[in-house]
Amino acid sequence: DVHLLESGGGLVQPGGSLRLSCAASRFSFSSYTMTWVRQAPGKGLQWVSTITSGGDSTYYADSVKGRFSISRDNSKDTLYLLMNDLRAEDTAVYYCAKEVLLWSGFDYWGQGTLVTVSS
Amino acid sequence: SYELTQPPSESVSPGQTATITCSGDKLGDKFASWYQQKPGQSPVLVIYQDTKRPAGIPERFSGSNSGNTATLTISGTQAADEADYYCQAWDSSTAGFGGGTKLTVL
Repeated sequence: DVHLLESGGGLVQPGGSLRLSCAASRFSFSSYTMTWVRQAPGKGLQWVSTITSGGDSTYYADSVKGRFSISRDNSKDTLYLLMNDLRAEDTAVYYCAKEVLLWSGFDYWGQGTLVTVSS
Repeated sequence: SYELTQPPSESVSPGQTATITCSGDKLGDKFASWYQQKPGQSPVLVIYQDTKRPAGIPERFSGSNSGNTATLTISGTQAADEADYYCQAWDSSTAGFGGGTKLTVL
């Protein structure tokens, strides 16, 4: 079955940086658009960023545009999210998710990695 | 991002039909997806492309989408269906999620 495993979360001070990774397995990673979704404690789901299968197109929520950068290494079956200038409101569990079909929803999610921004 | 609106909560009796709505501008012109999330767990896709069920999702879950409203229907609701449900759609290469509906089965 498809497996997505996030890593890289932790405690970081405001203004700091963090890079999240999502290791994918058991599917053809290079064929699928991938997405990061976050969930603040006790809150709902929020889309963060998406990258197309070849990495040629990227998309961002307004709240992270200019601060976050999504990328992927198809040779390593790994998705990344580089987060700069972190703010308290970025505190959340970050999930990576695989798209079922282009622009059609996310059929597999990782277990999530917690990012806490606090001094 | 694309704004989607859901009722914060719904309740249903076991065996009855639960209906959860999701509204957004011209949502019927886009594909809607629905996710179930139980406490401490990752979301699970239950409906995609308005009406399709992924493998392993029970037939009691169904969806529709028209006008400005998408609807998730759970027929013969079971206690195990108690969870938060989120709708989601794409608009101009940005994704939006509804605020979530807490479904209580009592």
